[in-house]
Amino acid sequence: GESVGLHLPTLSVQEGDNSIINCAYSNSASDYFIWYKQESGKGPQFIIDIRSNMDKRQGQRVTVLLNKTVKHLSLQIAATQPGDSAVYFCAERVYTGNQFYFGTGTSLTVIP
Amino acid sequence: KAGVTQTPRYLIKTRGQQVTLSCSPISGHRSVSWYQQTPGQGLQFLFEYFSETQRNKGNFPGRFSGRQFSNSRSEMNVSTLELGDSALYLCASSSGLVADTQYFGPGTRLTVL
Repeated sequence: GESVGLHLPTLSVQEGDNSIINCAYSNSASDYFIWYKQESGKGPQFIIDIRSNMDKRQGQRVTVLLNKTVKHLSLQIAATQPGDSAVYFCAERVYTGNQFYFGTGTSLTVIP
Repeated sequence: KAGVTQTPRYLIKTRGQQVTLSCSPISGHRSVSWYQQTPGQGLQFLFEYFSETQRNKGNFPGRFSGRQFSNSRSEMNVSTLELGDSALYLCASSSGLVADTQYFGPGTRLTVL
């Protein structure tokens, strides 16, 4: 199966600091990537996506960077807030099928 | 637009029983994917339905099955429940176009005793 891994299972940051969550993927045929946020007791919530023909995409307070050379994806959250505390998943779609593969998740804790 | 809805939200069953979970996608979406989420395992893909046809399938035993209706609502069935089937079952809807965003429902928490 596909392997989508996260470098750090947990991450703690001070409120107001920037957060960086990393993700490695293994299939060079992956052409579409999504970051999700999952709060306790809820389903994953879409944050931002990026296609393989892009290196960077920005949203509101979030930026996703894609490095296809080393098959690495990162999510940057600016001015992290307590409401950002959650588990973050990256998901990759392999071009040969419309199926997404998810990493195990990184738990982000924001310290007030 | 209303989001993805799943019913029931919580379910308790015993080993050997069967269960049916329901998912209503976002209006206009034709694709529904099902995932199993367990602690430490992340989300594991079960299957995807598009226009009433199973389009993709993950590596789960045949006890896990699904179907989709003409209104795009989908059901997932698990027969002969095992303790290891205890999990959060999530469905995600999308337009069905290639590489379109998937939006998740709140999930159904299944506990098998």
